[in-house]
Amino acid sequence: ETVLTQSPGTLSLSPGERATLSCRASQSVSSTYLAWYQQKPGQAPRLLIYGASSRATGIPDRFSGGGSGTDFTLTISRLEPEDFAVYYCQQFGSSLVTFGQGTKLEIK
Amino acid sequence: EVQVVESGGGLVQPGGSLRLSCAASEFTVSSNYMSWVRQAPGKGLEWVSVIYSGGSTYYADSVKGRFTISRDNSKNTLYLQMNSLRAEDTAVYFCARVVRGGYYYMDVWGKGTTVTVS
Repeated sequence: ETVLTQSPGTLSLSPGERATLSCRASQSVSSTYLAWYQQKPGQAPRLLIYGASSRATGIPDRFSGGGSGTDFTLTISRLEPEDFAVYYCQQFGSSLVTFGQGTKLEIK
Repeated sequence: EVQVVESGGGLVQPGGSLRLSCAASEFTVSSNYMSWVRQAPGKGLEWVSVIYSGGSTYYADSVKGRFTISRDNSKNTLYLQMNSLRAEDTAVYFCARVVRGGYYYMDVWGKGTTVTVS
């Protein structure tokens, strides 16, 4: 099973700042099988990024994804108030899916 | 509108059973991969199971042998039969549509249904 480790656990930033979230895999992951989700309290997860770098429909261009192999990143170029939430990475391999433990992005 | 709506959650005693349902609108369950994902109180997301369009099924080790994923094509509905429930199965259970075809991601999510084992 591929373990995804996200860092930091909590990120405290102010609106307008740049956020960089990390997702590290215990073994190589195909970029096409790496996705990112945003979840706000009491809500379902929302797809942000698929294929490591492709934005989902309706996702603002301040969100971008990158990386390959075992290291992936989600970047939010200029934080808006609505961006403060928990972010999860997800991978697929050998017919199984795993999620990272999440990064909480909070207002500083 | 493309959506899924879960139901069937509730309070059940340890060792008991429960069946969750996920009704889909504006797309065909049997033509897609469909998955269940859960979230224990205050915890992160945990993948539970998937059923492929061809009928193959896969499970997380934590539920293998106790949970069964299935679908009813006539009702356009996905199910999760949960047996031998444990306290650690307490969670919100989300149903999600999986997009394949060179990628693997979940693009449509329900609001979830809460299962409490106590």
